[in-house]
Amino acid sequence: QVQLVESGGGVVQPGRSLRLSCAASGFSFRNYGMHWVRQAPGKGLEWVAVIWNDGSNKNYADSVKGRFSISRDNSKNTLYLQMSSLRAEDTAVYYCARRYQLLMDYWGLGTQVTVSS
Amino acid sequence: QSVLTQPPSASGTPGQRVTISCSGSSSNIGSNIVNWFQQLPGTAPKLLIYSNNLRPSGVPDRFSGSKSGTSGSLAISGLQSDDEAEYYCATWDDSLNGVVFGGGTKLTVL
Repeated sequence: QVQLVESGGGVVQPGRSLRLSCAASGFSFRNYGMHWVRQAPGKGLEWVAVIWNDGSNKNYADSVKGRFSISRDNSKNTLYLQMSSLRAEDTAVYYCARRYQLLMDYWGLGTQVTVSS
Repeated sequence: QSVLTQPPSASGTPGQRVTISCSGSSSNIGSNIVNWFQQLPGTAPKLLIYSNNLRPSGVPDRFSGSKSGTSGSLAISGLQSDDEAEYYCATWDDSLNGVVFGGGTKLTVL
């Protein structure tokens, strides 16, 4: 069955960087685009970024453009989110999700990122 | 605020039918499909409806979706206590070149 497992979250100071990973299994990873979506404490879902299956195309939410970078390694079935210049407002649970028909179907369990001094 | 507009709350008694609306514009719902996600407390979102009105395997037929113009709608019939959750609509926005979500609707079963 489809499994997505995020890792790499933690507590980080404002202005620092962090890299999240999402290990995929149970499907042909190289055939699917992937999304990152986040959820701040007590708030709704916010889309962060998407990458096409071959990495040829990437789109970002305006709130993270220029600071976050999405990438993937199809040989390792792994998706990444490199986050830099982190701000307090980036504090959230970060989910990876499989892209299906432009949107998403399967989601991981999420990893917590807390930006605090 | 969110690009897609949902009512912040909805409620019903067991067995009732409730509807949750999702309002957008021509650049998002008006030209793309709508998905609905259910998020139980403390868990990750789960796909409930895709491509406006299709149910993934395992989702009961009590859940149904529809789309008309720039609005989508989720209906839940035969309401049950474990339907208590947050419900989100989502679609692609051609102007923003990204996915947009509604603000979420908290469903309470009285």
